[in-house]
Formats: sequence, C-alpha cells, structure tokens
Amino acid sequence: DSGVTQTPKHLITATGQRVTLRCSPRSGDLSVYWYQQSLDQGLQFLIHYYNGEERAKGNILERFSAQQFPDLHSELNLSSLELGDSALYFCASSEGTFSYEQYFGPGTRLTVT
Amino acid sequence: GNSVTQMEGPVTLSEEAFLTINCTYTATGYPSLFWYVQYPGEGLQLLLKATKADDKGSNKGFEATYRKETTSFHLEKGSVQVSDSAVYFCALSDSGGSNYKLTFGKGTLLTVNP
Repeated sequence: DSGVTQTPKHLITATGQRVTLRCSPRSGDLSVYWYQQSLDQGLQFLIHYYNGEERAKGNILERFSAQQFPDLHSELNLSSLELGDSALYFCASSEGTFSYEQYFGPGTRLTVT
Repeated sequence: GNSVTQMEGPVTLSEEAFLTINCTYTATGYPSLFWYVQYPGEGLQLLLKATKADDKGSNKGFEATYRKETTSFHLEKGSVQVSDSAVYFCALSDSGGSNYKLTFGKGTLLTVNP
C-alpha cells in the first residue's frame, strides 16, 4: 500500500459526459502528479500540482483540467468524453518539488462507451 | 525531449533463470533513473532508483546500474521467481525546473513459469 488513494476504482460513462477523478496523496506529500495509461500511448504525464499551484502540464487535452485543494487532495476533471479517453488514470505523490520518488495510487479505470 | 526505450516483451522465463531487461534513455540534463513494477490490477510500485552516474540501485534481488557513457539502466535479477511476473517500466525524472515528472518506457511484460 503506497498510501495514495484514488476514487472511484472503476468508472463507466458515455461519450460527451463529464467525470471527476479524485486523489488523496500520502500524508505530508505536497506534490501530486496525474498520469494516463493507455494501450496505444503507454504511460503519459498529464499535470503536476505542488501545494495547490499548477507547476507543469504535459500531454493534457484542453477538455481536461485539474486542481489541488487546500487539504492537498486533487481532482482531475474530464469533459466532453470521447471513446479514446478510455484509459487508466493514475495519480502519484511526492514530498515536494525537489523529490525524485513518486508513490502511485491504484488508479481509476475509465471506460467511455 | 526526454525519452526512454526498453526492450519489447513479452519475456517468458522459467523459475530461477537470469533476467535482463534493457533500458536506454535520452535526456537533456542529468536525470534520475527508476524501475517501476506493475502487478496485475495494481498501480505502479517503485522497485529501485539511481540518482547519478555509476550508482547501483537494488531491491528484492533486482539490480540496475546508471551508465552515463552508454545512457543505459538495464534491470537484472539472478534468479527469478513466479511472483516476479509483472510489467516492468523504466523511467527517468529530469528536473526541468521544479517539475520532476516521470517519462516512462513502454513497459516489458515478464512471465515466470514454475
């Protein structure tokens, strides 16, 4: 158990809908990273938050957004969903911006039908 | 940009066989290197890491040495077990400022048969 929790575990929704994925980092960790794992693209970095502030964006679509709240949990919002958004979404946390080790949650499997 | 290339799988071995999974990288700075393991239905677990050239990371019988001259970080284990069956990901972290995002290889599926 990494100490990172993600909810829900599974999500099935229809095209055009909007969903919110939630992540709670390990106690004391200030950084949250979001990654997408799909069969064709592999594991790709989406976005990084540190202590409530966005620090970097990767291959994140404009239809996707995220935020980190004062209690340090983070939410990833996916809107106008398409079939190709079906994937595993992981969040990871680390102590701070200058920390190499990231601890991953169990992931949320999103299926868009 | 940064990239990681690891050997294509799947790799199938018998128990107690020697394992090597090759990993090479391209990075603009001085990255840290990692191996993560993903067991079926689970998230990624950090297996080992190395933060500078010639460092050797080791854990649970697995080892990898950071080779700057060959830009490689090959994963090895002398005697694999059935419980080692999983997908293994090589990754690098390059600070690029204050963001330590991970860049992953495509993963190598290892199956160990009894």
